[in-house]
Amino acid sequence: EAGVAQSPRYKIIEKRQSVAFWCNPISGHATLYWYQQILGQGPKLLIQFQNNGVVDDSQLPKDRFSAERLKGVDSTLKIQPAKLEDSAVYLCASRSGGSPGDGANVLTFGAGSRLTVL
Amino acid sequence: QKEVEQDPGPLSVPEGAIVSLNCTYSNSAFQYFMWYRQYSRKGPELLMYTYSSGNKEDGRFTAQVDKSSKYISLFIRDSQPSDSATYLCAMSVTSMDSNYQLIWGAGTKLIIKP
Repeated sequence: EAGVAQSPRYKIIEKRQSVAFWCNPISGHATLYWYQQILGQGPKLLIQFQNNGVVDDSQLPKDRFSAERLKGVDSTLKIQPAKLEDSAVYLCASRSGGSPGDGANVLTFGAGSRLTVL
Repeated sequence: QKEVEQDPGPLSVPEGAIVSLNCTYSNSAFQYFMWYRQYSRKGPELLMYTYSSGNKEDGRFTAQVDKSSKYISLFIRDSQPSDSATYLCAMSVTSMDSNYQLIWGAGTKLIIKP
């Protein structure tokens, strides 16, 4: 089974510029998450999709961040304009659902996209 | 007060030692407890998954949940340099519905010295 693919792996931009990250989840996984992980901290949920609908975007800074998941497969996360405090790793994860006992209902993460804002 | 507290470390131990990693939490409704391992420049990967209280063992790894104390632990026996990573605890109230959300600790950086 192929894993969660993310690109680009690294991006350096100046503040007020824009950036977009792409995620391709594991085939058949209905739920997709974007997390922000600042150095030395645990992941912070930005947005959760179930198929192509948004389940939770309560912690997404909507004045500058946007995300979409067209056709319920790939997803993009955009930041415009970027701020210095947006420097972080942006992790995409997907989940298949199912019973917890069979190990299917767990999150699988991509390697992340590391953003540096100068 | 954060919902999940985890000492960020770093924790440095010699190869072969028994390692104990811990998290405390404040929400008594948490039922699902997970440990993720994160290598440098990689995403977290699930290591252990426990429902409710008790112990779970998988090879050199043992996860313990003490709901009365709101405390979870991960033990690593015969630690190896390849165990050097950041260990993140995560927990959830629910698991079955679409609104499954994890609350994460900050992660403990573990260094195993050869």
